[in-house]
Amino acid sequence: QSALTQPASVSGSPGQSITISCTGTSSDVGGYKYVSWYQQHPGKAPKVMIYDVSERPSGVSYRFSASKSGNTASLTISGLQAEDEADYYCASYTSSSTFVFGTGTKVTVL
Amino acid sequence: QVQLVQSGAEVKKPGASVKVSCKASGYTFTSYYMHWVRQAPGQGLEWMGIINPSVGSTTYAQRLQGRVTMTRDTSTSTVYMELNSLRSEDAAVYFCVTSGITGTTNAFDFWGPGTMVTVAS
Repeated sequence: QSALTQPASVSGSPGQSITISCTGTSSDVGGYKYVSWYQQHPGKAPKVMIYDVSERPSGVSYRFSASKSGNTASLTISGLQAEDEADYYCASYTSSSTFVFGTGTKVTVL
Repeated sequence: QVQLVQSGAEVKKPGASVKVSCKASGYTFTSYYMHWVRQAPGQGLEWMGIINPSVGSTTYAQRLQGRVTMTRDTSTSTVYMELNSLRSEDAAVYFCVTSGITGTTNAFDFWGPGTMVTVAS
């Protein structure tokens, strides 16, 4: 199972919106409503930001939203803040009843 | 509150085995799946496998099949991950992670603090 493809880095200025893509196949991202997104600050464990493609867990800012089209999922961070600077990973359930993570994206707030 | 307490850092030689534990509390242990995810230094996340603590059934990532074993002890609410025939590329932080506790079905909601495994001769 190959890792899902994400851009290595995305940057934006405070207040701007950025979008991170996550591309897989019809056997993972495209085949299920089970895409999730994680934020990881240096030295910390990841934190779930989105589950089931576009659902936000309680306590996660409304500035985080997500969607999916075909084999590509996307995470949008609106009103970018300094605290959003972190690594972001997508993940998907697969047709093999396993899970696969994305390659990860480093978000830089300029 | 949900707590996952993992065992301490390990240093192993190539070819050896390592067994990492994860003691859960604050929820019904047998009601939610537990995953293991690892992260090599400076690298991304890799899903290793899942165990159903209720019945002990497991599914492993294909690339680790034959080297990884996940087990559980319901009397102590503890899951274990054992990795054999260690190689330098197995050096990583190993996380135990729950799914479903906060309603996030096929996602990873509560993460343990991680256990660093070093592989060096």
